[in-house]
Amino acid sequence: AQSVTQPDIHITVSEGASLELRCNYSYGATPYLFWYVQSPGQGLQLLLKYFSGDTLVQGIKGFEAEFKRSQSSFNLRKPSVHWSDAAEYFCAVAPLLGGNEKLTFGTGTRLTIIP
Amino acid sequence: DTAVSQTPKYLVTQMGNDKSIKCEQNLGHDTMYWYKQDSKKFLKIMFSYNNKELIINETVPNRFSPKSPDKAHLNLHINSLELGDSAVYFCASSQDTRGSEAFFGQGTRLTVV
Repeated sequence: AQSVTQPDIHITVSEGASLELRCNYSYGATPYLFWYVQSPGQGLQLLLKYFSGDTLVQGIKGFEAEFKRSQSSFNLRKPSVHWSDAAEYFCAVAPLLGGNEKLTFGTGTRLTIIP
Repeated sequence: DTAVSQTPKYLVTQMGNDKSIKCEQNLGHDTMYWYKQDSKKFLKIMFSYNNKELIINETVPNRFSPKSPDKAHLNLHINSLELGDSAVYFCASSQDTRGSEAFFGQGTRLTVV
């Protein structure tokens, strides 16, 4: 069965500092990979996704993620965070075959930004 | 216009009651979903509905029943509510089921007392 691990429950960074959120997945083949963001009281918004091709994926709001097959990782990065980036971030995977009904989310990483 | 809208945003009800949450998408998508987010923010899919085919998550109690009057709507009906049903329920839609982006509603916070 597929699974997603986000080892960091809560991360605090200073505004303007760089950010990396970790995501590791367990799956027999390369799945679809996603990062979603959830602002307080809101639904989830897609930041970026990886299907194939270039392993460095650019997303919205200045985020990027790098797929590393050898490490089964899909870490999210941002060179300089803004106070508005404070939110909950979810990594998710879906199999290439079988469909979105098997979309599996990680447990999330809460990002706090300090001035 | 909101792409995926669900109502109500908040729902407080007593144990044993029956309630419904409505969801509508105006994106022309073929697939809609219901997710449950528990108090620890863990998100788990409950149902997906694609072109009149309902895919049920086997861990969902049969007190939960999705109803889709048409492709743009997927409502969630819950019978005999229990305390453990308290959670945030998210509706979502996607163009298809093959890895396309899922668009989420703002959620319905259900509190069972």
